[in-house]
Amino acid sequence: QQPVQSPQAVILREGEDAVINCSSSKALYSVHWYRQKHGEAPVFLMILLKGGEQKGHDKISASFNEKKQQSSLYLTASQLSYSGTYFCGTEYAKGTYKYIFGTGTRLKVLA
Amino acid sequence: SQTIHQWPATLVQPVGSPLSLECTVEGTSNPNLYWYRQAAGRGLQLLFYSVGIGQISSEVPQNLSASRPQDRQFILSSKKLLLSDSGFYLCASRDSSDSPLHFGNGTRLTVT
Repeated sequence: QQPVQSPQAVILREGEDAVINCSSSKALYSVHWYRQKHGEAPVFLMILLKGGEQKGHDKISASFNEKKQQSSLYLTASQLSYSGTYFCGTEYAKGTYKYIFGTGTRLKVLA
Repeated sequence: SQTIHQWPATLVQPVGSPLSLECTVEGTSNPNLYWYRQAAGRGLQLLFYSVGIGQISSEVPQNLSASRPQDRQFILSSKKLLLSDSGFYLCASRDSSDSPLHFGNGTRLTVT
C-alpha cells in the first residue's frame, strides 16, 4: 500500500507557509520528495535516509520522524513557483527496488 | 548525471491497436528502471520495474508488458490497447536504493 499524503490540496497566498505530510503504516527505508508541474515529469527536491533527520535548502526543508513512518515537507514564504503537485517517494526496504509514491498533494500559490 | 530519453511525447491510438514506448538512459550503467502511469489529475502508479537485463517485475496485471533487451533500454508494450490505458507514461531511472529517480519527459497517450 502507498503512503498517504495530507492535505490532498492546499491554496496559499504568496509569502504564506505550508506543511505537507507523508505517512506510512510501516517504516520506510528512505523518503524522497518531488514536485511535479502540470504536464511535466516530477523533479527531485530532497532525500531523507535516517530517522530523526532534518534537512533543507533555501526555503524548503523536510523531516523524517524517529520511527521512519512519517515525513513532512515544509515550504516557507511560498512563491508562485512553488505551485504544483508534491509527492513523497519511497521503498520499504533497501534492495527491494519497488519504488512507490504517496497519494500526492496539490499546492497552488496565488499572487 | 543521468539523461532519460523517452518518445514519442504524445500519441493517439485507437482501441485495439498495439503500443510500443521506448526509453533509453545515458550517463549511468546498470540502472534500476521503472515505468509509471499517471491518469489525469491522479497519482503515479508503478507498472513495471527492472534491476537488470531481462529482469522485469510487474506490479499491475493488465494488458501491458515490459522488456529490457539492453542495459539502458526499457520498453513498454501492449498488443491491444484499451480506453483505460490512456494516461501520462513516465520512464524513470536510478543508480541505487539511496538514489532518487530521474524521469524522462513522458508520453501522453490517448486511446480513442
